Amino acid sequence: AQSVTQPDIHITVSEGASLELRCNYSYGATPYLFWYVQSPGQGLQLLLKYFSGDTLVQGIKGFEAEFKRSQSSFNLRKPSVHWSDAAEYFCAVGLMDSNYQLIWGAGTKLIIKP
Amino acid sequence: NAGVTQTPKFQVLKTGQSMTLQCAQDMNHNSMYWYRQDPGMGLRLIYYSASEGTTDKGEVPNGYNVSRLNKREFSLRLESAAPSQTSVYFCASSLTQGGETQYFGPGTRLLVL
Repeated sequence: AQSVTQPDIHITVSEGASLELRCNYSYGATPYLFWYVQSPGQGLQLLLKYFSGDTLVQGIKGFEAEFKRSQSSFNLRKPSVHWSDAAEYFCAVGLMDSNYQLIWGAGTKLIIKP
Repeated sequence: NAGVTQTPKFQVLKTGQSMTLQCAQDMNHNSMYWYRQDPGMGLRLIYYSASEGTTDKGEVPNGYNVSRLNKREFSLRLESAAPSQTSVYFCASSLTQGGETQYFGPGTRLLVL
């Protein structure tokens, strides 16, 4: 069965440090790939998405993600985190053979140390 | 332009009671979705509506019904609430179904006692 794995439930990073959040998927073909962010008590907001083309994707708020087909991964990165980046981050994949319905990872909660 | 709105924001029900969660979008989107979010499980799709007049089951439809009232509105009904339905419910919409960005409402927190 298709699945999306975010191996880190929590990550703690110092303000100003770099960040990488991991996402792996299990699917035969290349899916559509998304990263969403959820601030406390809020709905989800799209950070970036990959459909095709350049495997390094730029998003909002200074985030980027790289699709690596050989590793079935779509990791999210930011060179220098800010306290306002504290939130929960969700990776999702859209699968062609299920009408692109999204399958979601369990999320990674980002904690920023001052 | 409010985006996706949901009512109510918070609700407490007793087991066996019924309620309807309302969702509306003003972006002229064709597709709408209902998810539930539980700790450690990400989002799970309950029902979706690819276009006005159609609805389909998602991953966890049992205990729920939906109505696509018109292009703007998509409601979720719990006929007989159970404690297992305690969750945060999100409505989302997208221009079309085919991999388009989904826009989310602020969520409804539901507690079933």
